[in-house]
Amino acid sequence: DGGITQSPKYLFRKEGQNVTLSCEQNLNHDAMYWYRQDPGQGLRLIYYSQIVNDFQKGDIAEGYSVSREKKESFPLTVTSAQKNPTAFYLCASSIGTGFQGIQYFGAGTRLSVL
Amino acid sequence: AQKITQTQPGMFVQEKEAVTLDCTYDTSDPSYGLFWYKQPSSGEMIFLIYQGSYDQQNATEGRYSLNFQKARKSANLVISASQLGDSAMYFCAMREAMDSSYKLIFGSGTRLLVRP
Repeated sequence: DGGITQSPKYLFRKEGQNVTLSCEQNLNHDAMYWYRQDPGQGLRLIYYSQIVNDFQKGDIAEGYSVSREKKESFPLTVTSAQKNPTAFYLCASSIGTGFQGIQYFGAGTRLSVL
Repeated sequence: AQKITQTQPGMFVQEKEAVTLDCTYDTSDPSYGLFWYKQPSSGEMIFLIYQGSYDQQNATEGRYSLNFQKARKSANLVISASQLGDSAMYFCAMREAMDSSYKLIFGSGTRLLVRP
């Protein structure tokens, strides 16, 4: 089945630790996105990539890093610099970058701090 | 200023009845898209319906329709014949052509509970 796979479903981070969230898509989409969702709120953009080997900061990029070495993969690293990482993280992809493009989402990763 | 406003934090509807979820938006971009997503308790964001700023007719997808009033800058979601499985959070979102990231700007959501 075509879709977006995020792993793990749940992740725990210790103080000072970097953790990496995986996002893989087999939809052949060019653009990929990482969003953060805090309780009772909508999503906010962390990073996005419109093409392989290129990515841009979103609205809340501090304390996060990404890579886009393959079209199918867009991993997100939550670094120790992110002081409030507890949130629900959603990865999305879209076939194009126009305003009409529909973004499809993975099932999300819930990150908590130990 | 909020770009997407959803004023109903929570809504109840009786099974098999119709319900309208409100969404107003604010943009100066003449080219934009409006989207509705459903988020069940599992967390996944499920795309429901899309309306483009130049579309003359209201979008429909099965039991979902979008009541698009451009002059009022509103894009309300109508769910007909509600089902128990419709209980979820619903988010209105916008994408602007002038934003080079083409990110989705989300509202704060409406929690819908369908009563049997």
